[in-house]
Formats: sequence, C-alpha cells, structure tokens
Amino acid sequence: AQKITQTQPGMFVQEKEAVTLDCTYDTSDPSYGLFWYKQPSSGEMIFLIYQGSYDQQNATEGRYSLNFQKARKSANLVISASQLGDSAMYFCAMMGGFKTIFGAGTRLFVKA
Amino acid sequence: DTGVSQDPRHKITKRGQNVTFRCDPISEHNRLYWYRQTLGQGPEFLTYFQNEAQLEKSRLLSDRFSAERPKGSFSTLEIQHTEQGDSAMYLCASSLVRGGTSGANEQFFGPGTRLTVL
Repeated sequence: AQKITQTQPGMFVQEKEAVTLDCTYDTSDPSYGLFWYKQPSSGEMIFLIYQGSYDQQNATEGRYSLNFQKARKSANLVISASQLGDSAMYFCAMMGGFKTIFGAGTRLFVKA
Repeated sequence: DTGVSQDPRHKITKRGQNVTFRCDPISEHNRLYWYRQTLGQGPEFLTYFQNEAQLEKSRLLSDRFSAERPKGSFSTLEIQHTEQGDSAMYLCASSLVRGGTSGANEQFFGPGTRLTVL
C-alpha cells in the first residue's frame, strides 16, 4: 500500500533562514512522482515542486528544492531564504499509477 | 482567468438533502480529480477521470456519491442523502497528460467547495 508520512505538525523558522520540511513515503511501484503543495490560509493548493522517481538530479524551483533520497524513501522540501509569505500548510504528495495520496501536512510559521 | 473553477464556493445544507458541485478544469486538461479535505488533514483522493471515463474510485466514495464528466470537460460531484460526516472541503484538480503515459503530472487545483451539513 502507498503511504506518505509528514512527521512535523508544525515548524518555526526565522525570516531569511532556510528550513527543511520532512516527507517519507512508501510504495512498491517502481514509477512514481513526488510533489509538494503549499496551502495558505485562503485554502487554495499551490504547486511548488515535482520529483520523478527516475530523475537523477534533485528538483529545484527558485527558493524551493527537493532533497530526494530514493534508498531512504524520503523527499524533503528545503525552502531557502524564508519569507513571511511562506507561512502556510505544506503537503507532500505521491502519485503512483493514477492515484495521488497526500500527507497530513506541516504548518510552517515564519517569524519576523 | 484560465484556472480551475468550482461552484459553489460554499454550500450549507440540511442532513438528508442532496447536493451537487461543479468543477470546470483548465480547458485543455484531459485528467480531472476530485478530493475531499477535512480540517487539519491533507486532501483525500475520491475519484479520477481521463477525458469522460471515470477510471478510478476510492473506497471513500460510497454509493451516496456519484461523479460524472459527460463530455470530457466539466465535472459534477453529487452527494445524495447528505450526512454530517460529509462536511468537508471538496477540491477539484486537473492535469494534462500527453502520449497516454501514466506518469506523474502537476495537478492544478480549484478553490474548493466547502460543504457544511447541519
């Protein structure tokens, strides 16, 4: 069975510092994709970054990077130079086949 | 605006009533997904369409739930005989997959429909 685990219910980070949000996954599918989404208090889900299971390099999108360690089945999100607007819920998700499953999320608080 | 839209944004209904939600995906997208999200949780997959074909349904989707995408464009999600446990945010997402691949693709989400069952 597929499973996504986010073990950090809440995280605090000082503005302008980097923060890592943890995500581990479990699947028996050889082909899968890993995503991170941001959900601000307004409720919309905003796509941040994607990593394919066969990608050799870690994905990066601006201030977001995905630390993909396939053997450990982890796909941690690193946000560099945190901004106040980064305060939100962050969800890790995995797509295998046609189904996408989401983790329980991590709420990030950025302090001024 | 060319994003995913959902209607209504909010729905309050009494237990036992039927409700229907609509989702308009991004126009060229061939895949459409429905999710349910309760407070403090991540979205839970409900069902998925490839064009007009409903290819997968979650066990969460009881017989009271039905989804359609009749022309491969907009989709509707109907809940019959609503229960208080149906109160949640219902999210729709769409994506574009080329070449018949089953690979992962970015899903674009709509703003959601918040359902409250009294």
